[in-house]
Amino acid sequence: EIVLTQSPGTLSLSPGERATLSCRASQSVSSSYLAWYHQKPGQAPRLLMYGASIRATGIPDRFSGSGSGTDYTLTISRLEPEDFAVYYCQQYDSSPRTFGQGTKVEIK
Amino acid sequence: EVQLVQSRAEVRKPGESLKISCKASGYNFANYWIGWVRQMPGKGLEWMGIIYPGDSDTRYSPSFQGQVTLSADKSISTAYLQWSSLRASDTAMYYCARLPGLLTESPFEDWGLGTLVTVSS
Repeated sequence: EIVLTQSPGTLSLSPGERATLSCRASQSVSSSYLAWYHQKPGQAPRLLMYGASIRATGIPDRFSGSGSGTDYTLTISRLEPEDFAVYYCQQYDSSPRTFGQGTKVEIK
Repeated sequence: EVQLVQSRAEVRKPGESLKISCKASGYNFANYWIGWVRQMPGKGLEWMGIIYPGDSDTRYSPSFQGQVTLSADKSISTAYLQWSSLRASDTAMYYCARLPGLLTESPFEDWGLGTLVTVSS
């Protein structure tokens, strides 16, 4: 099973700042089969990125993803109020599919 | 527009059975994998398994194999998650979600709002 470790656990930032979230896999994720979701309190998760760097439908371009192999990054260039949430990475390369434990982006 | 409408919250006692549902609309239900994700209180997301309604091909995470049963009724575009004997540790929010294509190597693109299951004596 591929274990995904996200860091940091919590990121305290102000609106307008840049956020950088990390997701490290215990083994290589083939073909960059890595996705990012965010989840706001009381809501279902929403797909942000897939294929490590492809934005899902309707996701603004302040979100970007990068990485390959075992190291992946989600960057939010300028935080908007609606971006404060919990972010999860997920690999869909090998079975079982797994999620990271999440990074909470909170208002400083 | 794809919509996944989940059944209401449930409260059960340990040892009881339960079946929750996820009704899909806005696409050809039989031709897309649909799955379930568990979120225990205050915790992260756990991938439980997926089912292809067209032929009921099912893939389970080892963590959930034998603990739950996924099924689907393509005649009414509805997927199900069921337990034969609930435990207190099954208390969680359960989301259904759809893969965007035929490949299982896909993320969950569309999500239901979740069904809260509470198991308590």
